Amino acid sequence: AQSVTQPDIHITVSEGASLELRCNYSYGATPYLFWYVQSPGQGLQLLLKYFSGDTLVQGIKGFEAEFKRSQSSFNLRKPSVHWSDAAEYFCAVGARDGNKLVFGAGTILRVKS
Amino acid sequence: DTGVSQNPRHKITKRGQNVTFRCDPISEHNRLYWYRQTLGQGPEFLTYFQNEAQLEKSRLLSDRFSAERPKGSFSTLEIQRTEQGDSAMYLCASSRERTTEAFFGQGTRLTVV
Repeated sequence: AQSVTQPDIHITVSEGASLELRCNYSYGATPYLFWYVQSPGQGLQLLLKYFSGDTLVQGIKGFEAEFKRSQSSFNLRKPSVHWSDAAEYFCAVGARDGNKLVFGAGTILRVKS
Repeated sequence: DTGVSQNPRHKITKRGQNVTFRCDPISEHNRLYWYRQTLGQGPEFLTYFQNEAQLEKSRLLSDRFSAERPKGSFSTLEIQRTEQGDSAMYLCASSRERTTEAFFGQGTRLTVV
């Protein structure tokens, strides 16, 4: 069965510091992987996706993620965090035939000035 | 392209009442998904449609829940005899066929009192 683990429930970083959010997945085949961001009371916005090819993918708002098959990981990174990045971040895995996504429980990012 | 639209944004209802939510997907997307998100959790898949056909339903979708997508356009999710445990954010998403890249609406927050 597909599953996604986000080990960190909360992370606090200082504005301008670097960020890494962890994501581990369990999936029987080569997955599609996603990172979404959710502001309070809002829907989910797609940050980036990995389908195939280059294992380092670039997304919006200066985010990037690296797919490591050997570690079953898809960690999200940003070199310098802005106060507006404070939100909840969800990693998700999906099948290649395009049906449902399985989400992790999310990581809440707090940014301190 | 106006994105995925959900109505209402908020709904407060008394236990035992019926509620209905509407989702209007991105116009050229033929897949439509419903997810439920409770506090502190990631979204959980409920059901999805390809055009007007409902192709998969989660075990989370009890007999009190029904979803329709007449003519393959907008979709409705109805909950009959609501219970306090139904309180959650209900998210709708849409995608093109054979792709897992889903675009989410802002959700309908249901509170059952």
